[in-house]
Amino acid sequence: AQKVTQAQTEISVVEKEDVTLDCVYETRDTTYYLFWYKQPPSGELVFLIRRNSFDEQNEISGRYSWNFQKSTSSFNFTITASQVVDSAVYFCALSEDNDMRFGAGTRLTVKP
Amino acid sequence: DGGITQSPKYLFRKEGQNVTLSCEQNLNHDAMYWYRQDPGQGLRLIYYSQIVNDFQKGDIAEGYSVSREKKESFPLTVTSAQKNPTAFYLCASSFGGRYTEAFFGQGTRLTVV
Repeated sequence: AQKVTQAQTEISVVEKEDVTLDCVYETRDTTYYLFWYKQPPSGELVFLIRRNSFDEQNEISGRYSWNFQKSTSSFNFTITASQVVDSAVYFCALSEDNDMRFGAGTRLTVKP
Repeated sequence: DGGITQSPKYLFRKEGQNVTLSCEQNLNHDAMYWYRQDPGQGLRLIYYSQIVNDFQKGDIAEGYSVSREKKESFPLTVTSAQKNPTAFYLCASSFGGRYTEAFFGQGTRLTVV
């Protein structure tokens, strides 16, 4: 069985603050993939990043960075210098077989 | 433009009626998925299909049915057996396999009245 936990239901920050969204996963498989998606108010999920279980290098893309640690089964997402446009629901997902399971999501509100 | 189209955007259903949600993609993706989104529960997998004429149940398939007669289309029927159908439904597609990201439609909000 696979499971994704996003313990933070809602986070509110003021613009320009840094914020980290946590994701913890459970899997018995040695080969799996982790994803982050953003869901803006329009409802459509937008893909942000993919990471496979053999690649623990952290990744940075502009103001976004991801920290993958197999030892703690975590795949955390940090937004640096947050902006109002970052306000959305963010989902972490795990793909073990030919499907994809999502966490409950974290609603991020960035206030001006 | 390539993408996934879900229709309608809003749907109202009377109790006891079946209703079908449409999902079409022109991305040439092999795999398609249906998710249900409820507040605080994230996305839960209803059904998925890796190839035409084949599909598998997800975590919450009871009360739902699907078909995959064409690569581009994966309609979802919410039957009267689904006890709490009011939710936001998202369709997605991918090239298939655990390593590929999914592309999502804009969703259908179903309300039972």
